[in-house]
Amino acid sequence: TQLLEQSPQFLSIQEGENLTVYCNSSSVFSSLQWYRQEPGEGPVLLVTVVTGGEVKKLKRLTFQFGDARKDSSLHITAAQPGDTGLYLCAGPRPGNTPLVFGKGTRLSVIA
Amino acid sequence: DSGVTQTPKHLITATGQRVTLRCSPRSGDLSVYWYQQSLDQGLQFLIQYYNGEERAKGNILERFSAQQFPDLHSELNLSSLELGDSALYFCASSREARQLYGYTFGSGTRLTVV
Repeated sequence: TQLLEQSPQFLSIQEGENLTVYCNSSSVFSSLQWYRQEPGEGPVLLVTVVTGGEVKKLKRLTFQFGDARKDSSLHITAAQPGDTGLYLCAGPRPGNTPLVFGKGTRLSVIA
Repeated sequence: DSGVTQTPKHLITATGQRVTLRCSPRSGDLSVYWYQQSLDQGLQFLIQYYNGEERAKGNILERFSAQQFPDLHSELNLSSLELGDSALYFCASSREARQLYGYTFGSGTRLTVV
């Protein structure tokens, strides 16, 4: 059983469209992180959310941490081909253990 | 360049063989993590070292072992290789053992066992 479930698994959209991807768990997390991974590279940290209900913006990307700290979402406005990649959410299990990752959402933005 | 260096980038070897993957963490980072990434399982945590000592163990097989040296670089040893060990192996580093500030990942080693 995956501790962090991400949906959708795949997403293909046209340039300029908006999209939201989700990261859900039945467990409470002290924090959640979002990474983007491009082919042939390692994941790159985008953001860390810590407080329930927190919203963080990074240019066209908006990250939200659920009030109960069991879920998070990533919204991209006016997607561009450069947004193409694998989006991963991750969080520590209780006791500050190393990060567990969801399987990711593979996003393809077509020009 | 993330600052985390992994070598080699690609490795092709036969079943039953042994290989060593190497990782140099970002300057100043004391914690090193090893992850295995496959299409069906995603990123799976293998093992963590902090300042030379093993800190946490994940889904690491007995055939696999790792260590962190005094200069903080780390090596992951994979032995008696099987076809199912084919995957991307990532090393990541962080300044301390806490997870709050995220990890910096290397570009990975793609291992193919034939």
